[in-house]
Amino acid sequence: GQNIDQPTEMTATEGAIVQINCTYQTSGFNGLFWYQQHAGEAPTFLSYNVLDGLEEKGRFSSFLSRSKGYSYLLLKELQMKDSASYLCAVRDPEGTYKYIFGTGTRLKVLA
Amino acid sequence: GAVVSQHPSWVICKSGTSVKIECRSLDFQATTMFWYRQFPKQSLMLMATSNEGSKATYEQGVEKDKFLINHASLTLSTLTVTSAHPEDSSFYICSARGVRKGYEQYFGPGTRLTVT
Repeated sequence: GQNIDQPTEMTATEGAIVQINCTYQTSGFNGLFWYQQHAGEAPTFLSYNVLDGLEEKGRFSSFLSRSKGYSYLLLKELQMKDSASYLCAVRDPEGTYKYIFGTGTRLKVLA
Repeated sequence: GAVVSQHPSWVICKSGTSVKIECRSLDFQATTMFWYRQFPKQSLMLMATSNEGSKATYEQGVEKDKFLINHASLTLSTLTVTSAHPEDSSFYICSARGVRKGYEQYFGPGTRLTVT
């Protein structure tokens, strides 16, 4: 089956660094995406990894280890507006290249 | 570029009625569109995948006769929730993917459906 796990909730302090983990067990792999979603809104794209290693984009970085079925999203210099849900999704290489979403992590940033 | 719109953004309907939600790709041709459902505090669950001009492929457990999907053109897909019931109340999100855009999906703003 397809299984993508994330912690349900995390809390961090403004200005701090937080790492959100994602582990996956899927029948195929064609890239991993991270999305941010505020309540009642659509997901917005944050990052994409298809090869092992770290991708950095401003305050956000994402890491992938395909051999371990593991990724993390690193958020630096946390701001209150970063309070949101963070979703990792694995792209299926078969057929329509659909995304399989993880359970999502609700991050609360405290002042 | 890569803008996807949905209409309506929210809708309230009575139990037993049908509701149609539109998903449009505004600046690219979407060969494939995806429909997701999201319940409060949960992640996105893929309902079905539709390719232009062909029948939709439904995920396991999704009733195809209840959730009718039409992808008649390269810029429009519709989801019709037939005989809606309160348990169908949810946030419905579409995404679109075009050939030139590679395999990345672009998400619409979502439609909040409330069935009373």
